[in-house]
Amino acid sequence: QITLKESGPTMVKPTQTLTLTCTFSGFSLSANGEGVGWIRQPPGEALEWLALIHWDGDKFYNPSLKSRLAVTKDTPKNQVVLTLTDMDPVDTATYFCAHGNLDPHQYFDSWGQGTLITVPS
Amino acid sequence: SYELTQAPSVSVSPGQTASITCSGNRLGPKYFSWYQQKTGQSPVLLIYRDSGRPSGIPGRFSGSNSGSTATLTISGTQAMDEADYYCQAWDSNTVVFGGGTKLTVL
Repeated sequence: QITLKESGPTMVKPTQTLTLTCTFSGFSLSANGEGVGWIRQPPGEALEWLALIHWDGDKFYNPSLKSRLAVTKDTPKNQVVLTLTDMDPVDTATYFCAHGNLDPHQYFDSWGQGTLITVPS
Repeated sequence: SYELTQAPSVSVSPGQTASITCSGNRLGPKYFSWYQQKTGQSPVLLIYRDSGRPSGIPGRFSGSNSGSTATLTISGTQAMDEADYYCQAWDSNTVVFGGGTKLTVL
């Protein structure tokens, strides 16, 4: 059974950097085809993909946010870390991490519970 | 950039068939996935690779792809199916989500 859980601050001030950790179990990020993605959802709005890291270390970013994003993995610890710099109130959202499957279509078959990040104005 | 368009809302009567479409702005990825998100919950994968159904997903959910348009069909819609539905594609090493469709079961 795959489980994922996001952790980090609940509030970040404008211009600060958000750092979120996804801790997972039930799979290894060293196995072929595995990945972890980050997706966010502002209150009442649609899902927005942020970043994805694959088993082989390849990283992929939303082009509109690429300059502010970084994703890394710690395979032995079963963790993936997302950083988003220069936070703004429009970045207020629930942030999800999800288990990615590449076969070769990329999709997300297990999701964390999400964590609400608030950036006050 | 590749974009996916969904109708904001769809209504269906209980027991009827609901169809939710997802259109790409150009001929693009080969496959689409679909997710269901109920209020206050995380998304759940319903369909992968156009028509694959993960274990535990009821058979009334099915998917198809006609090239640049994917369709999620819910047969015999139930009240519990009222939710937001999102399509998703993988194009040019980028994950793309549609804007979501709110399904109302009247």
